[in-house]
Amino acid sequence: EVQLLESGGGLVQPGGSLRLSCAASGFTFSSYGMAWVRQVPGKGLERVSTISGSGDRTYYADSVKGRFTITRDNSKNTLDLQMNSLRAEDTAVYYCAKPGSCSGGTCSWFFDLWGRGTLVTVSS
Amino acid sequence: EIVLTQSPGTLSLSPGERVTLSCRASQSVRISYLAWYQQKPGQAPRLLIYGASSRATGIPDRFSGSGSGTDFTLTISRLEPEDFAVYFCQQYGSSPVTFGQGTKVEIK
Repeated sequence: EVQLLESGGGLVQPGGSLRLSCAASGFTFSSYGMAWVRQVPGKGLERVSTISGSGDRTYYADSVKGRFTITRDNSKNTLDLQMNSLRAEDTAVYYCAKPGSCSGGTCSWFFDLWGRGTLVTVSS
Repeated sequence: EIVLTQSPGTLSLSPGERVTLSCRASQSVRISYLAWYQQKPGQAPRLLIYGASSRATGIPDRFSGSGSGTDFTLTISRLEPEDFAVYFCQQYGSSPVTFGQGTKVEIK
């Protein structure tokens, strides 16, 4: 079955750290760039970070640059997001998402597969 | 950054009605790289349309997308009970990709 399954969310104090993981199955993971997209409950969506299929290229939204690190392990079909120096405004549901198409290392960043999401709450 | 503005914010409709949702971009969306998603409470977004008018796998043909440049539309030809949800548009032609704020389609 084609699916993404996130884990690692929870309650953390401001300034703290959290590591999210996403387990992928049912498709050739290494052939696709991957993304983390977050959503403040009841609000819109924001693409937080992306990583290329080989892991050599990354992107971060300005809102998380310098605090979040995206990595992947193609031998285990897993995607991670290390989140440091967390702020209240990072509170959101975090989704692992697969782009609709990737070819020659370039992806079209619409998302045809999403995980169920994991809630991160930053609060004292 | 391209800002996407969706209208209206909420639509109250009955099953069987035709729905037209609007997504307007602050700048032209390159190569019509515009997608639409449906989201129900407690669920992840579901891709409906990409490339402005291409239906994703498994999406019923009552859903259609159109538009180019700065003006895009999602049409549901005949509302089914399972279509009551929030709909988001997204542009992926320019970095950063951006999403609209959503339109809620609720039961009248």
